[in-house]
Amino acid sequence: NAGVTQTPKFRVLKTGQSMTLLCAQDMNHEYMYWYRQDPGMGLRLIHYSVGEGTTAKGEVPDGYNVSRLKKQNFLLGLESAAPSQTSVYFCASSYSIDPPGPAYEQYFGPGTRLTVT
Amino acid sequence: GENVEQHPSTLSVQEGDSAVIKCTYSDSASNYFPWYKQELGKRPQLIIDIRSNVGEKKDQRIAVTLNKTAKHFSLHITETQPEDSAVYFCAAGNKLTFGGGTRVLVKP
Repeated sequence: NAGVTQTPKFRVLKTGQSMTLLCAQDMNHEYMYWYRQDPGMGLRLIHYSVGEGTTAKGEVPDGYNVSRLKKQNFLLGLESAAPSQTSVYFCASSYSIDPPGPAYEQYFGPGTRLTVT
Repeated sequence: GENVEQHPSTLSVQEGDSAVIKCTYSDSASNYFPWYKQELGKRPQLIIDIRSNVGEKKDQRIAVTLNKTAKHFSLHITETQPEDSAVYFCAAGNKLTFGGGTRVLVKP
């Protein structure tokens, strides 16, 4: 199993450009998440999904959109990139969202380092 | 929503000594408390977790304690080794609100 994968690994954008980050998981997880991690800070939840066709806002959703058309994929879009969106983006997935459950660990992807100039 | 505070932000210990990281949370309904380790340039990985029906959990050199009344939980690493050097994150809540992280440096 590949686990959670993310593409691309690195990207440089100019202000105002758009892009889509792809997250894929092969563990048949229902729940998927997008986080951003800024230097010296923890992980902040951008959006999440509790199943195919569903999305919900997290802590810092402004400037981002997401889609979950297939259970195994979760896409994060930036419509008009801003320098404040320079960050490392992590995708994660898990079996459940409401603990305690038999399996709640979030499995993270390797991250995408995005720089907006 | 949940608010998680983590202290200290940096921790330097001598190899062989113990390291303790503390987190407090705000939502009394939270009942799952994981700890993640993130090495430089790598993804966060779960090292231990505890659920609200348990007060303490150990896994070799790592232990976590939970005080639901006071709404705080702690990570204890004993006999630290250089490979324990990393950033550690606590989290709480149904959608996992993360603390700000603790950078641990183990000096040989």
